Amino acid sequence: GQSLEQPSEVTAVEGAIVQINCTYQTSGFYGLSWYQQHDGGAPTFLSYNALDGLEETGRFSSFLSRSDSYGYLLLQELQMKDSASYFCAVRGYGQNFVFGPGTRLSVLP
Amino acid sequence: DSGVTQTPKHLITATGQRVTLRCSPRSGDLSVYWYQQSLDQGLQFLIQYYNGEERAKGNILERFSAQQFPDLHSELNLSSLELGDSALYFCASSTTGVDTQYFGPGTRLTVL
Repeated sequence: GQSLEQPSEVTAVEGAIVQINCTYQTSGFYGLSWYQQHDGGAPTFLSYNALDGLEETGRFSSFLSRSDSYGYLLLQELQMKDSASYFCAVRGYGQNFVFGPGTRLSVLP
Repeated sequence: DSGVTQTPKHLITATGQRVTLRCSPRSGDLSVYWYQQSLDQGLQFLIQYYNGEERAKGNILERFSAQQFPDLHSELNLSSLELGDSALYFCASSTTGVDTQYFGPGTRLTVL
């Protein structure tokens, strides 16, 4: 099976850089995804790592290291609108998806 | 707007009842996923359909069932409802061979 762990809360100030970690225990998976969810809203896709290394999409970057069973989402030049919950997720070889518990990011002025 | 639609937006019902949630995927997407999100909880994967066939099963209760129709829309049926079934139910769709999922706005189910 798969299980993912994330910090429950992270706080940072506007303009700063924040890293949200995701550690996992899994028998195998295709790739690590990241989703953002604002309160009351639907999750929206942010980034995907199929291979080890860094993927950059604008202010967001995501990293995966399969040897360390670890990934992270990096948010740069934080804005107030980035206050939301962030979920990492994997699709296992059995095709089922597992989401992490989510990290609530609060951006302070 | 993700292109995924879900109806109804809100549903209030009583314990023991049965409800059906409906989802239409993005145009061209063959995969449909269902998730349950309880208050302040993460997303629990329930089930995936691909082009009408069940592809993967997660933590879906026996009281719950789903299907995907020839026009690719999907329905999630929840029966013998309990108070603990109150949650947001999301549907998502994806393109074949790609893990990126596009989520609908969700159906908020309240069981009284």
